[in-house]
Amino acid sequence: DIQMTQSPASLSASLEEIVTITCQASQDIGNWLAWYQQKPGKSPQLLIHSATSLADGIPSRFSGSRSGTQYSLKISRLQVEDTGIYYCLQRYSNPNTFGAGTKLELK
Amino acid sequence: EVQLVETGGGLVQPGKSLKLTCATSGFTFSNAWMHWVRQSPEKQLEWVAQIKAKSNNYATYYAESVKGRFTISRDDSKSSVYLQMNSLKEEDTAIYYCTWPSYFDYWGQGVMVTVSS
Repeated sequence: DIQMTQSPASLSASLEEIVTITCQASQDIGNWLAWYQQKPGKSPQLLIHSATSLADGIPSRFSGSRSGTQYSLKISRLQVEDTGIYYCLQRYSNPNTFGAGTKLELK
Repeated sequence: EVQLVETGGGLVQPGKSLKLTCATSGFTFSNAWMHWVRQSPEKQLEWVAQIKAKSNNYATYYAESVKGRFTISRDDSKSSVYLQMNSLKEEDTAIYYCTWPSYFDYWGQGVMVTVSS
């Protein structure tokens, strides 16, 4: 199975700060990577697909990038509504695997 | 508007069975490859199962942790996908979501399954 190592596990940042979350894949997954945000009591919401493509309706302060087998989610100017848990997901092969999540809080 | 609505969760004893239903609307279900994903109380997300469309012979795939115990199926006439869960274990306790399409753009609200004696 492909392992997705996500870091950090938790993060505290200030308003307007730049935030970066990373996922390291255990093997090549091409661009078959997605990022999700989950708010308490809600279902995960797709932010980024195909490693770098913004999902419909998602603010442009969210962006995704890839360097080899390392994938990053960047929030360019943190807003209050960006708190929550963030997950990466590889869709390259079954079983699809998620990262362990990053809990993002406001400082 | 795309809608996915899961039902059928509840409290069940270890070793027992439960069947989840995901009723959908707002897209062409018969062409859709559907998935079940679960989230443990510790918030870890785990892909559980996938079923492809009739044109793909309704091929199914499972996580190793549920293979042989869970069965995913679908009824295109009802735009619904099911998850039959047998021989349930305490570690199957989770919120179960159905989701679609390839990047899990849409999720249901989830249904809680608690396996406990």
